[in-house]
Amino acid sequence: SAVISQKPSRDICQRGTSLTIQCQVDSQVTMMFWYRQQPGQSLTLIATANQGSEATYESGFVIDKFPISRPNLTFSTLTVSNMSPEDSSIYLCSVGAGMNTEAFFGQGTRLTVV
Amino acid sequence: GENVEQHPSTLSVQEGDSAVIKCTYSDSASNYFPWYKQELGKRPQLIIDIRSNVGEKKDQRIAVTLNKTAKHFSLHITETQPEDSAVYFCAALLSGTYKYIFGTGTRLKVLA
Repeated sequence: SAVISQKPSRDICQRGTSLTIQCQVDSQVTMMFWYRQQPGQSLTLIATANQGSEATYESGFVIDKFPISRPNLTFSTLTVSNMSPEDSSIYLCSVGAGMNTEAFFGQGTRLTVV
Repeated sequence: GENVEQHPSTLSVQEGDSAVIKCTYSDSASNYFPWYKQELGKRPQLIIDIRSNVGEKKDQRIAVTLNKTAKHFSLHITETQPEDSAVYFCAALLSGTYKYIFGTGTRLKVLA
């Protein structure tokens, strides 16, 4: 299993500002993922964070809004840029142990934009 | 795009009764299907999973069944307890990727 530390756990931010969320894993992993979970909703994949190359974004998500860094095999950051109230959500990082195995999640970052 | 449908969205059962949650997936080549439980304010945690080479898997009070022909899988919880109350998500791993597509979630309430 993988132990994932994510921070901050929550934040309240002013619209127009940016927040960077950090995700640290206790072992080296090839793939790291960032999800958004809007209130009462399911998990939607934002992007896959690749080490040594640019992140791969899902439809509806763009790098300018959600820039991602992956400097090594145990760490990634997601930035939510130029925030608006619609960005209020829980953001979760996730790693997979391998193909056809479970995904592990960080504890999430609850973001409120006012 | 590929998707996973999940029903029902909410489910209330009396303590001791059984609960069944159903999911249908669209990627016929998917071969890994996990179920996650998410308690309020906490991260999703795996409770059981099934791979396409088996039709059923059981772990104490929890079981999952898979019908690959129908592209359908279900979670069964027997002898429900109040601590089973949570949101449950099914998921399917997209074939050839590490990406999961999640269902829309089922809020289960077990009434004491």
